[in-house]
Amino acid sequence: QVQLKESGPGLVQPSRTLSLTCTVSGFSLTSYGVSWVRQPPGKGLEWIAAIWSGGSTDYNSALKSRLSISRDTSKSQVLLKMNSLQTEDTAMYFCARLKGLIGGSYYFDYWGQGVMVTVSS
Amino acid sequence: DTVLTQSPALAVSPGERVTISCRASESVSTGMHWYQQKPGQQPKLLIYGASNLESGVPARFSGSGSGTDFTLTIDPVEADDTATYFCQQSWNDPTFGAGTKLELK
Repeated sequence: QVQLKESGPGLVQPSRTLSLTCTVSGFSLTSYGVSWVRQPPGKGLEWIAAIWSGGSTDYNSALKSRLSISRDTSKSQVLLKMNSLQTEDTAMYFCARLKGLIGGSYYFDYWGQGVMVTVSS
Repeated sequence: DTVLTQSPALAVSPGERVTISCRASESVSTGMHWYQQKPGQQPKLLIYGASNLESGVPARFSGSGSGTDFTLTIDPVEADDTATYFCQQSWNDPTFGAGTKLELK
């Protein structure tokens, strides 16, 4: 069955770089895209970045200068790097599979359980 | 960015019908999707393309709307439906509503 699992450090110091990995199973990264979405404690959801089945990428315009998303199809992994971390980046980080509709709209049909990242010295 | 506005909270009794609204700051056609999130869990897809029920989701859930105004309906509401419900659009960069917290009386 389709599964996504996030991994990464639980604690990151301010100004450092965060590296997260999403390992997927049950589908191919060359057939489906994957996105990262985050949720600060007690708050709503914020889309961060996407990598499409063809390898192209999209980023949240407010975060774009700090982000890099890539993939390793041989390992079924999607990697997210975010630099210059601040306390406001403390959040649960989810990866989710992308599903597209005719007309260009897309949504997230499977989600991982998330990994909590705390930015603190 | 397209801003999605949801009412913050609702309280209903089991067996009642509840409608959760989502208004977009610009037209997103039928590119609106709905998720349910329970405390400590990841979001779960309920409705895609404004009105299409995701496989495995009970038929008590339904969605409607187009353009800027959308509705998620639960009829009848059950105790297990206590959760926060988010709308999401992807007409341009994906954005989510702030969520509607549904509580049962």
